[in-house]
Amino acid sequence: DQQVKQNSPSLSVQEGRISILNCDYTNSMFDYFLWYKKYPAEGPTFLISISSIKDKNEDGRFTVFLNKSAKHLSLHIVPSQPGDSAVYFCAARSTGGSARQLTFGSGTQLTVLP
Amino acid sequence: EAGVTQFPSHSVIEKGQTVTLRCDPISGHDNLYWYRRVMGKEIKFLLHFVKESKQDESGMPNNRFLAERTGGTYSTLKVQPAELEDSGVYFCASSRTTDRDYEQYFGPGTRLTVT
Repeated sequence: DQQVKQNSPSLSVQEGRISILNCDYTNSMFDYFLWYKKYPAEGPTFLISISSIKDKNEDGRFTVFLNKSAKHLSLHIVPSQPGDSAVYFCAARSTGGSARQLTFGSGTQLTVLP
Repeated sequence: EAGVTQFPSHSVIEKGQTVTLRCDPISGHDNLYWYRRVMGKEIKFLLHFVKESKQDESGMPNNRFLAERTGGTYSTLKVQPAELEDSGVYFCASSRTTDRDYEQYFGPGTRLTVT
């Protein structure tokens, strides 16, 4: 059973517009949520994170919003640039026991059109 | 600061053979993780080291997989004997043990193809 879900496998956005990537989770024990960007043949690159006690974190063009009651988070990219085209993974870390691993969603392919 | 490095970048082996993957974490990162992505699906956790100790190996699929981190620096992941379903991309990640230990930094991965 997937604990972290990204229901949109792909998203296309015009350059300069806003990209909104969504992620849902089921495990209430997650304490941190992270977004990674991945280009083909490369490893995931850390973008931005948010603690479960916050509802928003911003870093430049990237903002992550967390809605704990809905168990939903989103990544906003404004303005979108062609270089942002990549697969975006949502990930979460649990507080339970000694577990420190990240649980990943299946990813969303973002294409920013020039 | 050098990032996480992995070797080899790509390995093609026959079923039944042995392969060893290597990961060098970011200097000073005591946490080291192995993950695997199979068939373009989600990235799944394999195991976690803190220094040289295995903290969590709940994601290891079976006893054909053996991970080591002697001396608490680089780590190796051996698959012996390899099966067809072991094909995929194996990622290594590292993080600090202090604040922001949840931020894991990934290497480029090793693409393993078992034929």
